[in-house]
Formats: sequence, C-alpha cells, structure tokens
Amino acid sequence: DAGVTQSPTHLIKTRGQHVTLRCSPISGHKSVSWYQQVLGQGPQFIFQYYEKEERGRGNFPDRFSARQFPNYSSELNVNALLLGDSALYLCASSIGTDHYGYTFGSGTRLTVV
Amino acid sequence: AQKITQTQPGMFVQEKEAVTLDCTYDTSDPSYGLFWYKQPSSGEMIFLIYQGSYDQQNATEGRYSLNFQKARKSANLVISASQLGDSAMYFCAMREDFRTASKLTFGTGTRLQVTL
Repeated sequence: DAGVTQSPTHLIKTRGQHVTLRCSPISGHKSVSWYQQVLGQGPQFIFQYYEKEERGRGNFPDRFSARQFPNYSSELNVNALLLGDSALYLCASSIGTDHYGYTFGSGTRLTVV
Repeated sequence: AQKITQTQPGMFVQEKEAVTLDCTYDTSDPSYGLFWYKQPSSGEMIFLIYQGSYDQQNATEGRYSLNFQKARKSANLVISASQLGDSAMYFCAMREDFRTASKLTFGTGTRLQVTL
C-alpha cells in the first residue's frame, strides 16, 4: 500500500507569492493534519481536517488555509509568503482524529527567498 | 509554557550499546498519549513507540522501550543494541485532545549519532 504522499518534494518561492502544497493520505484514512517544521525545531501543528471539515487549527496567521477534498486528499495554501515561512511542511494521515494511528509523509521543503 | 522538553541536543553511542533519550512533559489533562518519532535526513517522521497515560506497563516495540515515570512526568526512550541506521533526529511528542480534534506537540529533538 502507498504511504502518505506529498507534492512537490521541494519548492522555492519569492516573498509575497502564494504556494499550494498537496497531500494524499493512506487509503482508508479520513483525517489529514498539517505540521510546519522550521529548521532546528520540532514540528508545529497547523491544521487537522476530518471528513472535509476543519477540526482543529494551530497558532498560525490567516495567511495559512487548507481544505480537504471528497477523496480525503488535502491542500495547504499559504499566501503572501514571508522568509519565515521557509520550513519542512509535513502531512500526516490517520483513520480518525485520534493521533495514535498517525502516518507522516516525507514532507515538502519550502524555501522562500 | 513548553509542554515537551528534550534537554539533550545531541547524543553519541557506540554500535551495539544501549542509549537513553530524555523527555519530560507537562500537562494537567489526566488522559494523554506520549509518542517517540525518528526523523532521518529524508524528513519523514517514523513512529517508534506509544505510551498512554493509563497504561500500567511500559511500552516496548522491538529494540525500543519507553521508561514511563508518571509522577516525574518523564517518558524516556531506550534504544537497545544501537545500529548505525539508528543515527537520526528523535522527537518526543504528546497528544492533546480538543473537543473535535487532537494534535501532537513536539519537543525540540535529540540528534543521535551511532559510532563504530
């Protein structure tokens, strides 16, 4: 079975631009969560989606948004990029909202210049 | 307030030796879960082991065991018989449940280097 897949793997954007990151969960998993991992730190929670609804949101500005599609894949959008948005963005899927059965993808490494 | 504390930025261990990675946590919730993840240079977070707050016994998964001391709020990871492939970042995390969701709060990680 395919694991959690994220695309693209690497991305370079200019300050002020917009970016869309994509995540496909494991088949049968209905929950997708997004995390931001800045260099040298642990991942920080951004969003959790379950059955296409936002179930939780971390302490991130409104420039960050996400959605989940009927096939349970998800997009993370970031507007008006700042240098500080440079990070590894990780997607994790689980059957339900409980994190016990979480599986992470390999992430998208975003560099803002 | 930091909820997960990992005080060892880096650790060295010789191949075939055991190593303990420290983790302390802070929560007032009686129900919580504690996790350890391994992150190699590829970036993927690999689940290693889980301990629930009500579990009576320490969790074990192969060469990994979790030394859970609830009164001290510590959840140290013990890796036995270290292998070169164990070299990676290791993160301790705690699950926090909201009304309709849950999230993981991670520590800052420990970089483990296994030497010959």
